Amino acid sequence: EAQVTQNPRYLITVTGKKLTVTCSQNMNHEYMSWYRQDPGLGLRQIYYSMNVEVTDKGDVPEGYKVSRKEKRNFPLILESPSPNQTSLYFCASTMGSRGPIIYEQYFGPGTRLTVT
Amino acid sequence: KQEVTQIPAALSVPEGENLVLNCSFTDSAIYNLQWFRQDPGKGLTSLLLIQSSQREQTSGRLNASLDKSSGRSTLYIAASQPGDSATYLCAPLFGNEKLTFGTGTRLTIIP
Repeated sequence: EAQVTQNPRYLITVTGKKLTVTCSQNMNHEYMSWYRQDPGLGLRQIYYSMNVEVTDKGDVPEGYKVSRKEKRNFPLILESPSPNQTSLYFCASTMGSRGPIIYEQYFGPGTRLTVT
Repeated sequence: KQEVTQIPAALSVPEGENLVLNCSFTDSAIYNLQWFRQDPGKGLTSLLLIQSSQREQTSGRLNASLDKSSGRSTLYIAASQPGDSATYLCAPLFGNEKLTFGTGTRLTIIP
């Protein structure tokens, strides 16, 4: 089954404790991205990757890091989480290095992160 | 600033009715526009993708239209069912290749 998976689905952590949210897709997609969803603000892009070893900032990259060492994986790293990073996070993937221009995006199930 | 507005924020209709969800955006220079549904506790499911050169797309009971010049898109749902209850999001891809989401319309179909 074609899908985007994220782990963990739920995470409660404390300020400053480094964490990684994994994202993996089995569709051989070039383009992957991370979004956060907050009430009243909608979904906002954090980072995106057009292919292996190619990443770039989205609209709200502060406090986050990403890496793309393999085509199927695109982990989101919070080096020192803060309470304002409490949010619902989604990973997405699409075909082609400029995929969203032509193709639809496929989203993972989301990771609900709470930072206390 | 590129903004996307979805009105109303919430809508309740009896089962069986046809309904229209609205999406407006401030910049007409878009590559395409995608409609998604989001169920509580779940991710986003793509419903329809309309390219900028298209006027509409259809999938089953769903029909999405696009009027780029006026910055508007509509999602028409025919013969609504309780399973259609969800939040519907529109997301135009603007010329800077940033997918920008509206805050959604929460739809409830009353059996």
